[in-house]
Amino acid sequence: QLQLQESGPGLVKPSETLSLTCTVSGDSISSTFFYWLWIRQPPGQGLEWIGSISYTGSTSYNPSLKSRVTISVDTSRNQFSLRLNSVTAADAAVYYCARRYTSAWFLDSWGQGTLVTVSS
Amino acid sequence: EIVMTQSPAILSVSPGERATLSCRASPSIGSNLAWYQQRPGRAPRLLIFGASTRATGIPARFSGSGSGTEFTLTISSLQSEDFAVYYCQQYDNWLTFGGGTKVEIK
Repeated sequence: QLQLQESGPGLVKPSETLSLTCTVSGDSISSTFFYWLWIRQPPGQGLEWIGSISYTGSTSYNPSLKSRVTISVDTSRNQFSLRLNSVTAADAAVYYCARRYTSAWFLDSWGQGTLVTVSS
Repeated sequence: EIVMTQSPAILSVSPGERATLSCRASPSIGSNLAWYQQRPGRAPRLLIFGASTRATGIPARFSGSGSGTEFTLTISSLQSEDFAVYYCQQYDNWLTFGGGTKVEIK
């Protein structure tokens, strides 16, 4: 059974870089059928797509965040990662990793989410 | 950018009754629409994709319909576990979510 698990610091200082990792278990990240994504949800608000990556490293990013986001993949560890630089209070959110099919961008599996707070 | 608008923001329904949730897309997205359920403190769960296809393990009381710009999620007889927030999401062009509909107990 596929499981996704986010990990990383729960507290980031303003202007610094948020770094999270998603570990995939129960299936290989090196599948041509799937892409791997980051989604975030500020407290009490809706969902926002951050970006996605294939096992080959092909990426796409939300235009509103593109200048600050880098998503990378490590197939040897079955992980993919998110870096968001120059964070502000507006970046505080629950961050989810998820999976979508290569051919369609609906999300069939999600991690449990990790809360990131931005504060000095 | 494709904008997704959900209504109502809050829907009060009694257990056992039918719930009808709406999602509007601008511009048209064909049938490239998914619905998700999010219970408090939990990650979203895929209910419907392709506007009307139930995901694996989703009960038959959940149904989706619509195409183009108008979509509906119907829960035929609300169970206690169905009181949650529901999001629609388009995947015709990148990926964007609606603002959500909270289904609460009347």
